[in-house]
Amino acid sequence: QQQVKQSPQSLIVQKGGISIINCAYENTAFDYFPWYQQFPGKGPALLIAIRPDVSEKKEGRFTISFNKSAKQFSLHIMDSQPGDSATYFCAASILQAAGNKLTFGGGTRVLVKP
Amino acid sequence: DSGVTQTPKHLITATGQRVTLRCSPRSGDLSVYWYQQSLDQGLQFLIQYYNGEERAKGNILERFSAQQFPDLHSELNLSSLELGDSALYFCASSTRGREAQGEQFFGPGTRLTVL
Repeated sequence: QQQVKQSPQSLIVQKGGISIINCAYENTAFDYFPWYQQFPGKGPALLIAIRPDVSEKKEGRFTISFNKSAKQFSLHIMDSQPGDSATYFCAASILQAAGNKLTFGGGTRVLVKP
Repeated sequence: DSGVTQTPKHLITATGQRVTLRCSPRSGDLSVYWYQQSLDQGLQFLIQYYNGEERAKGNILERFSAQQFPDLHSELNLSSLELGDSALYFCASSTRGREAQGEQFFGPGTRLTVL
């Protein structure tokens, strides 16, 4: 059962353009939504994360938009750079003091053309 | 560099064999998570340990087991290996007090190939 659906599977964007990746979740108990960036041969690295009590969070060129009623959230990469070429994963979890297991989307491979 | 180390980097073995993957969390991190990344299943949570105790279990096969030792390093044991077990295995760790904030730091992974 795929609890977090991510789209598109891949996208190509020109340098300076905007990359948009969308995710939808099913479990309304999720209360933490991170995005991870993964380069070939490396482990995923936390990029930005949001809690459901805010609708938008921005860190540099990366913005998360969150729509609780639609159970959707998205990542916008502004002014995309060739160095942003990577695979991006959305995830969701239920935060607990004992820890939180991440449920990942299927990933989006982003290629930024110079 | 996340501070999480995993060994070995690559592992090639045959079906039916048993292997052990090792993970050292960031200094001071008490929680260790194991994830499997495969082409068909994506990134999937396997199991979590906190200070030596199992805390959460995901889609982990009965042929797989894990443990966390007193020095907080963890091992993932995979036995009776099948071709479908070929995947990247990641370990992640989390800091006490920041677990409720969800931040996990991933290691570089171990690539397992079962022939």
